[in-house]
Amino acid sequence: DAGVIQSPRHEVTEMGQEVTLRCKPISGHNSLFWYRQTMMRGLELLIYFNNNVPIDDSGMPEDRFSAKMPNASFSTLKIQPSEPRDSAVYFCASRKGVDTGANVLTFGAGSRLTVL
Amino acid sequence: DAKTTQPNSMESNEEEPVHLPCNHSTISGTDYIHWYRQLPSQGPEYVIHGLTSNVNNRMASLAIAEDRKSSTLILHRATLRDAAVYYCILRDSLTGTASKLTFGTGTRLQVTL
Repeated sequence: DAGVIQSPRHEVTEMGQEVTLRCKPISGHNSLFWYRQTMMRGLELLIYFNNNVPIDDSGMPEDRFSAKMPNASFSTLKIQPSEPRDSAVYFCASRKGVDTGANVLTFGAGSRLTVL
Repeated sequence: DAKTTQPNSMESNEEEPVHLPCNHSTISGTDYIHWYRQLPSQGPEYVIHGLTSNVNNRMASLAIAEDRKSSTLILHRATLRDAAVYYCILRDSLTGTASKLTFGTGTRLQVTL
């Protein structure tokens, strides 16, 4: 089991550039989550998908952020245009099964984004 | 959502047991108690969860108070590799918000030789 795979691990870009973060969930997991972590705000849920369908995107900060899940094995989080305040570590997580309150999330290693 | 309260930081000596407390006085009957930890430069990692009874697994034990208003994560023998931020999180199984795993500030555990 390779776990949740995120790429890139590190990204440095300039303000105004487009950033795309990628995530491959664990095979067989049917829910996928995008989190963001900063020193100021801690870990925040941005959006999650069940069976490739976005369920709750209320955590997405603004229209510059978008997330897609074209199939069960791939998701992207895109920021366009990027701003320095988007600098953070972005985590992807996946979960197997229906939402019971008891099932657990497996997180990837994260993508550290720095916007200059 | 019911909230949790944890100490900001704790220290432990290596090879000693560690008891990490969590208060959740507004917990509902359908809330599961979850613990995750985050090692430096890594993503959060599941540790253990329970509903009413105490739970044990290879990583830790979870002791839940009889009134469920508090719980304690027990690491039986802390090692340097257990130095991490530990998060206590409530997940409601009924309202449909269980997916919203909401992290607080957690407890930063330092382990020293």
